Amino acid sequence: KNEVEQSPQNLTAQEGEFITINCSYSVGISALHWLQQHPGGGIVSLFMLSSGKKKHGRLIATINIQEKHSSLHITASHPRDSAVYICAVRLNGNQFYFGTGTSLTVIP
Amino acid sequence: NAGVTQTPKFRVLKTGQSMTLLCAQDMNHEYMYWYRQDPGMGLRLIHYSVGEGTTAKGEVPDGYNVSRLKKQNFLLGLESAAPSQTSVYFCASSYGMLDGYTFGSGTRLTVV
Repeated sequence: KNEVEQSPQNLTAQEGEFITINCSYSVGISALHWLQQHPGGGIVSLFMLSSGKKKHGRLIATINIQEKHSSLHITASHPRDSAVYICAVRLNGNQFYFGTGTSLTVIP
Repeated sequence: NAGVTQTPKFRVLKTGQSMTLLCAQDMNHEYMYWYRQDPGMGLRLIHYSVGEGTTAKGEVPDGYNVSRLKKQNFLLGLESAAPSQTSVYFCASSYGMLDGYTFGSGTRLTVV
């Protein structure tokens, strides 16, 4: 079962481009989590949000509860942003269900 | 450095062998989690703990056991390893249910 769908699966961008990664889910959620997995495998938590918008540096995450959709934006992309970006949703209870990720490559 | 430490980083087991993966955090986090990551699939929750002395089943608990005897440590045990348990295992912790997670660096386990 796929509670979470991410698009695109793969994305290549030129350095400096504005990037958008999308996450859609099919049922009501209580929270949504964006994470970044580096090429070496390490995972970093980026945002946890349940409504509205959050910003940290060049990263912006938005969520539209009615449309069951979230976006992660990267402004002025850089090769060091190359990673897999993962969306996870929390339904009822304590569990998050994770998408399979969007693999981003930023070319100098 | 503060964070989540997983040991070991790599391990090869024969089918039927047992092992324990250790996760240690020094951030006084209440919540701890064990996930597995397989190719083409999202992270899947194996077991989790909401505090010292508590454990609960996640999405894929079969074949695994856990213990949280001390707040800072969360152990994942495989009693009789199977090839289907070949995976990368990640431990994570968080202060609260809706706080960001801190992940360990992962354990790559191969069962032959």
